[in-house]
Amino acid sequence: QVQLVESGGGVVQPGGSLRLSCAASGFTFVSYGMHWVRQAPGKGLEWVAFIRYDGSNKNYADSVKGRFTISRDNSKKMMYMQMNSLRAEDTAVYYCAKGGTTSSDYMDVWGKGTTVTVSS
Amino acid sequence: EIVLTQSPGTLSLSPGERATLSCRASQSVSSYLAWYQQKPGQAPRLLIHDASNRATGIPARFSGSGSGTDFTLTISSLEPEDFAVYYCQQRSNWPLTFGGGTKVEIK
Repeated sequence: QVQLVESGGGVVQPGGSLRLSCAASGFTFVSYGMHWVRQAPGKGLEWVAFIRYDGSNKNYADSVKGRFTISRDNSKKMMYMQMNSLRAEDTAVYYCAKGGTTSSDYMDVWGKGTTVTVSS
Repeated sequence: EIVLTQSPGTLSLSPGERATLSCRASQSVSSYLAWYQQKPGQAPRLLIHDASNRATGIPARFSGSGSGTDFTLTISSLEPEDFAVYYCQQRSNWPLTFGGGTKVEIK
């Protein structure tokens, strides 16, 4: 079945770095755009970044632009998020999500999430 | 950035009742709006895309309508498993944005 599994979350100090991973299975990974979406504790959803199916186009939320970098390795069916210069406000559950079939700009499959805590 | 405002913040209803959730956009998003359901401790689930198209496996009691700036998610008869938080999301412009959510709780 279609599955997304995130990993790489943890506790990091402000200013630190972390790399999240998303392992995909059960679908033709190379054919779909992919997203990262986050949710701060007790808050709503915030879209973070998108990468086109072939990696040729990337979009970021203003809140992470210049600090986060999204990437993918289609040969490994993996997506990544390199997070640098982390701030307390980056504390959240980070979800990996697959772009929709009719449009990549919806998220039709979600992982269970990985928790990032930025604290000294 | 397009701001999506959802109302009400909380909806208190009984099983079997009809739920009507609203999402208003700060500018036209055409029909490029989706709805998601999220239960506590779980990831969101896509319900509706392009304003009125049910995602795969979504029951017919869920329906979406609207275009431009005003959208509605209707649950025709609430089942116990429908009590959750619902979010709208637009794909008309980057950055993609979500509404703040509507919690549907048991009355």
